[in-house]
Amino acid sequence: DAGITQSPRHKVTETGTPVTLRCHQTENHRYMYWYRQDPGHGLRLIHYSYGVKDTDKGEVSDGYSVSRSKTEDFLLTLESATSSQTSVYFCAISASGPNNEQFFGPGTRLTVL
Amino acid sequence: AQSVTQPDIHITVSEGASLELRCNYSYGATPYLFWYVQSPGQGLQLLLKYFSGDTLVQGIKGFEAEFKRSQSSFNLRKPSVHWSDAAEYFCAVGATGANNLFFGTGTRLTVIP
Repeated sequence: DAGITQSPRHKVTETGTPVTLRCHQTENHRYMYWYRQDPGHGLRLIHYSYGVKDTDKGEVSDGYSVSRSKTEDFLLTLESATSSQTSVYFCAISASGPNNEQFFGPGTRLTVL
Repeated sequence: AQSVTQPDIHITVSEGASLELRCNYSYGATPYLFWYVQSPGQGLQLLLKYFSGDTLVQGIKGFEAEFKRSQSSFNLRKPSVHWSDAAEYFCAVGATGANNLFFGTGTRLTVIP
């Protein structure tokens, strides 16, 4: 299995609070992604990174920001959490570009009350 | 824009029976196609992928998929299903120049004894 960890694995928070999710990889892969998974929607891309300090928006980026200061870490921040951001968040990595296979982390279940 | 359709939300099969999960994609050029499996509470695991060449691709766990350009399909098959195959299956498509993979909404597979 690819070396991808996500922390925390579960989090419950209140509306309006900031939340940061962390993705850590040991594979030295260039590309990293944050997805959210919701019933009936499959996986939708939030943001992705194609290198240190290089990030771009995905399909559902509103309300989220990201940072990548090191190859191995990709942070997803909800500046002010809302109930619509209750979801399961997955980090993924890819060595050779966005069109090649991605390897997924175990996910973080976030509940916003 | 790329899109992926998995027309079956839920499929139930008997153990030992054959399985076919449908996936249709929309894209103008030759796509990159993937099937992932997700067990409850887990991340996504790559089953197989198609980039080019032979249109019948073999994957892990005895799965195979066939790319049919004329039908814009990439259906997943297994000749004999095992109880451990119960999971959710996602088809995904990528393409040259795209930023990410596009995922279908998934098909949940139930296996009955």
